[in-house]
Amino acid sequence: AQRVTQPEKLLSVFKGAPVELKCNYSYSGSPELFWYVQYSRQRLQLLLRHISRESIKGFTADLNKGETSFHLKKPFAQEEDSAMYYCALSGQGAQKLVFGQGTRLTINP
Amino acid sequence: DTAVSQTPKYLVTQMGNDKSIKCEQNLGHDTMYWYKQDSKKFLKIMFSYNNKELIINETVPNRFSPKSPDKAHLNLHINSLELGDSAVYFCAASGPGSYEQYFGPGTRLTVT
Repeated sequence: AQRVTQPEKLLSVFKGAPVELKCNYSYSGSPELFWYVQYSRQRLQLLLRHISRESIKGFTADLNKGETSFHLKKPFAQEEDSAMYYCALSGQGAQKLVFGQGTRLTINP
Repeated sequence: DTAVSQTPKYLVTQMGNDKSIKCEQNLGHDTMYWYKQDSKKFLKIMFSYNNKELIINETVPNRFSPKSPDKAHLNLHINSLELGDSAVYFCAASGPGSYEQYFGPGTRLTVT
């Protein structure tokens, strides 16, 4: 079974502080992992995917197969990072995304 | 140009009514989806269509019936609405071999 767990429903950090949003997954094969973000009053959009290994808006995420984790990190949080973040998984050959419960990130000034 | 659009944005209706939500994408993608986001913000897939054919149906009640008249449209019809159907419904589209999904703005359905 495919499952994605985001243990923190809410996360609040101060501007300039490091931020880490946790994501753990359960999948027997080789998954594709994603982070999606939903800013206030905007649609859900892709932030980054593990396969591209790039940094978007200062965020990075490394797939750790041993720990089955795909945590999202940013060294210095900015106020515009406040949003709802979803970790998502897609299995081999599957064309659906399984989402975690989401983490609401608030960056305090 | 909006890639994935949904109408209406808000829908308030009474229990027992039948309603439809429309979705259109101008990306030329083959695959479209419906997701439900509940009051706790949990997003769960409901249906997926590929080139007008149903490929995923995630144990959704029969009261929900998706219809894809063509590749660019995937509508969601809901019969005999119940209080528990209140949620935000998102449409999405993705291209061949791509797992990136492009989401619509969502339709907030409130059943009273």
